[in-house]
Amino acid sequence: AQSVTQLDSQVPVFEEAPVELRCNYSSSVSVYLFWYVQYPNQGLQLLLKYLSGSTLVKGINGFEAEFNKSQTSFHLRKPSVHISDTAEYFCAVTGGETSGSRLTFGEGTQLTVNP
Amino acid sequence: NAGVTQTPKFQVLKTGQSMTLQCAQDMNHNSMYWYRQDPGMGLRLIYYSASEGTTDKGEVPNGYNVSRLNKREFSLRLESAAPSQTSVYFCASRKPGGHETQYFGPGTRLLVL
Repeated sequence: AQSVTQLDSQVPVFEEAPVELRCNYSSSVSVYLFWYVQYPNQGLQLLLKYLSGSTLVKGINGFEAEFNKSQTSFHLRKPSVHISDTAEYFCAVTGGETSGSRLTFGEGTQLTVNP
Repeated sequence: NAGVTQTPKFQVLKTGQSMTLQCAQDMNHNSMYWYRQDPGMGLRLIYYSASEGTTDKGEVPNGYNVSRLNKREFSLRLESAAPSQTSVYFCASRKPGGHETQYFGPGTRLLVL
């Protein structure tokens, strides 16, 4: 079984400030980790993913995330946010083919960037 | 290449009515998924199909049925809609051996009165 906890339901920040969205997971097997973004009234779009190798993963729109196995975390960061980054962000985990590649999602974090 | 498409985009039902949500992908993906999204709960898996001809229950299958019509299409049916099924429904697909990434459709908003 696997689970994901996103530690903040809402994160308000000012434009050009740095931001970190926190994600912790639990799993009994090796995992693949993802961050998806959902803009209002749209589907989910992949931001970045960790499969193996380097623990620092870079994604689209200037986002990056760091996989920390000892702390079972996969926090998302951006050094300087824009108004257009306002969206809901979802962390997700899968155990791969052994679990049918089923994704387990966190509850989501609403990022609001204010001018 | 349209990716993952879903119809309808929005639907209002009365309690007890039935309907089928349609999903199609043109990326030649093997696996397809149905999720529901509710406020504060993220996305929860309803059913999935690892390959054509197979379907399996996810986390919240009660009240739903699915059909993997062919490799492209995966439909979700509500036989007798209930207000608790008011939600946004997303279909997703995954390419074979494709580093596990799922690609999502735009969603169907369903309101059950």
